[in-house]
Amino acid sequence: ETGVTQTPRHLVMGMTNKKSLKCEQHLGHNAMYWYKQSAKKPLELMFVYNFKEQTENNSVPSRFSPECPNSSHLFLHLHTLQPEDSALYLCASSPPEGGLWNEQFFGPGTRLTVL
Amino acid sequence: AQSVAQPEDQVNVAEGNPLTVKCTYSVSGNPYLFWYVQYPNRGLQFLLKYITGDNLVKGSYGFEAEFNKSQTSFHLKKPSALVSDSALYFCAVKERSNTGKLIFGQGTTLQVKP
Repeated sequence: ETGVTQTPRHLVMGMTNKKSLKCEQHLGHNAMYWYKQSAKKPLELMFVYNFKEQTENNSVPSRFSPECPNSSHLFLHLHTLQPEDSALYLCASSPPEGGLWNEQFFGPGTRLTVL
Repeated sequence: AQSVAQPEDQVNVAEGNPLTVKCTYSVSGNPYLFWYVQYPNRGLQFLLKYITGDNLVKGSYGFEAEFNKSQTSFHLKKPSALVSDSALYFCAVKERSNTGKLIFGQGTTLQVKP
């Protein structure tokens, strides 16, 4: 295992539901990321946090709302999603971005299905 | 615009044969280069990276990759494929700047047959 956990692993929700995805890393990293993985497409970076501060929002719709209460935990709050938001959502962490060549460590992902 | 291309959706090889998974990139300067692997129902796992120095980089599970600056390529290779190498492989690049983000290719499925 990579030291990054995600819950739940699978989630089915209706378009009017509100749910949250959780990510936790046990690696002492200070940067955390949310990615969206859709079939046959490159991973799409959604959000980046460094030392709990959001440093990147890659034009993500407001129905996705991230929260980073501390350097070990990252949440993605979901509300009024669309069927095209169905995808695998991956969390990753890395040492501070000052180490530019540091690789990222990924969690197993949450498979989200929006009905 | 920065981009990473993995020209093959799928690569099929027989067990024991050498394998190559191709990657080319379009990024300014001399980026950092990465390969990740994703097994079914798992997240991405880091395989190897190129920072500087020797163009041939060795990584996990017997994989290696060759950096070619003139061709802006970073192909993943293994001398002898295993059935257990079957997975989805992603190439990624990152600019050498404080604002550089990791940019992924679309992935290549490697299928190794017994």
